[in-house]
Amino acid sequence: LAKTTQPISMDSYEGQEVNITCSHNNIATNDYITWYQQFPSQGPRFIIQGYKTKVTNEVASLFIPADRKSSTLSLPRVSLSDTAVYYCLVGYNTDKLIFGTGTRLQVFP
Amino acid sequence: NAGVTQTPKFRILKIGQSMTLQCTQDMNHNYMYWYRQDPGMGLKLIYYSVGAGITDKGEVPNGYNVSRSTTEDFPLRLELAAPSQTSVYFCASRHVQRSSYNEQFFGPGTRLTVL
Repeated sequence: LAKTTQPISMDSYEGQEVNITCSHNNIATNDYITWYQQFPSQGPRFIIQGYKTKVTNEVASLFIPADRKSSTLSLPRVSLSDTAVYYCLVGYNTDKLIFGTGTRLQVFP
Repeated sequence: NAGVTQTPKFRILKIGQSMTLQCTQDMNHNYMYWYRQDPGMGLKLIYYSVGAGITDKGEVPNGYNVSRSTTEDFPLRLELAAPSQTSVYFCASRHVQRSSYNEQFFGPGTRLTVL
């Protein structure tokens, strides 16, 4: 399984765009990149998944450069309710899914 | 659909006691997982299953056992509880197909304290 590296924590203010970058230098050809969000006292929740270039949904965008050795989760105009831990996972479809330590995002008013 | 359900929500055990954490999913998912999360830390994979009758170890399997007799249920067994097993336990499920990549769904968690 590809190892991932993320910042431990980030701070932002309401209304700003937040970009969280994940490094995965040894990503394999078949690996997908997936991001999860976890609020306190809850299980993680799927946010977005991609393989290459850019993916956008109603919650976030995911940018993946051509070499796929990193990816950036972009949260537009964050609010207080976006305060959570964000996990980047890299792996193939049938992998057992290992979570890293995640990035703790704190949004201030 | 109820999704992934876990029981109990909270439990306090004495050292050396045993218990089973229950997990059920009603989405007909083939893969199921057990994770533990210590305070302020990320999730650690304990065991997972790719289908009924098949289980495999994750990152931290010692002190735990699992079984998967049906598609729906994936209980986690603690035989001799130790303080180091104090944690929040999450069960998750996912439908894995070769043609697509599907998200993992998590239960609400079981908060276990061993004293």
